[in-house]
Amino acid sequence: DAMVIQNPRYQVTQFGKPVTLSCSQTLNHNVMYWYQQKSSQAPKLLFHYYDKDFNNEADTPDNFQSRRPNTSFCFLDIRSPGLGDAAMYLCATSRDRGLGQPQHFGDGTRLSIL
Amino acid sequence: AQSVAQPEDQVNVAEGNPLTVKCTYSVSGNPYLFWYVQYPNRGLQFLLKYITGDNLVKGSYGFEAEFNKSQTSFHLKKPSALVSDSALYFCAVTLTSGTYKYIFGTGTRLKVLA
Repeated sequence: DAMVIQNPRYQVTQFGKPVTLSCSQTLNHNVMYWYQQKSSQAPKLLFHYYDKDFNNEADTPDNFQSRRPNTSFCFLDIRSPGLGDAAMYLCATSRDRGLGQPQHFGDGTRLSIL
Repeated sequence: AQSVAQPEDQVNVAEGNPLTVKCTYSVSGNPYLFWYVQYPNRGLQFLLKYITGDNLVKGSYGFEAEFNKSQTSFHLKKPSALVSDSALYFCAVTLTSGTYKYIFGTGTRLKVLA
């Protein structure tokens, strides 16, 4: 089945220690998104790639970076995690932007900060 | 400002009874409307969407939603609730022109009681 896979499902890191979360997709979608979700709140968009074009949200802290080396993979790097960065991180894909395209979500990585 | 409201934080319904989860929106322009469901420690799963055409949209797992332009609403419904429908439900809106990003509601927790 075509899907969006996030690894690891659970990640524990230390305060200030860089961490990388990964996302892969077999849907061959052009767009890949990263969301942060806290405590059953609505997901908050951090940034997205439209093909190779990176689009950052205005309120995404500089501490958060992303890489998309190819169509299938996208990474979220948190350079110096703080306690406030503990959250569920969701990766999603869509075939295109807008045009009523639904987004397909992975099961997330739950990040804990010690 | 564009916004989506889910006025109920939680909805309780008895198994076998009909359920409704409410969503209203305020956007400038024509909307695309979506419903997603999130089970514990999982990503969001797409249920259904309204793009254009028939105001009654049918989706996955027996869910349906009715688009009401005059009331700017897109309520999610199911004729007979199952205990397994218990989850967190998000309504989301994008615009047919301009921004493609999701505007999420705050989510409604549905509890179906046996």
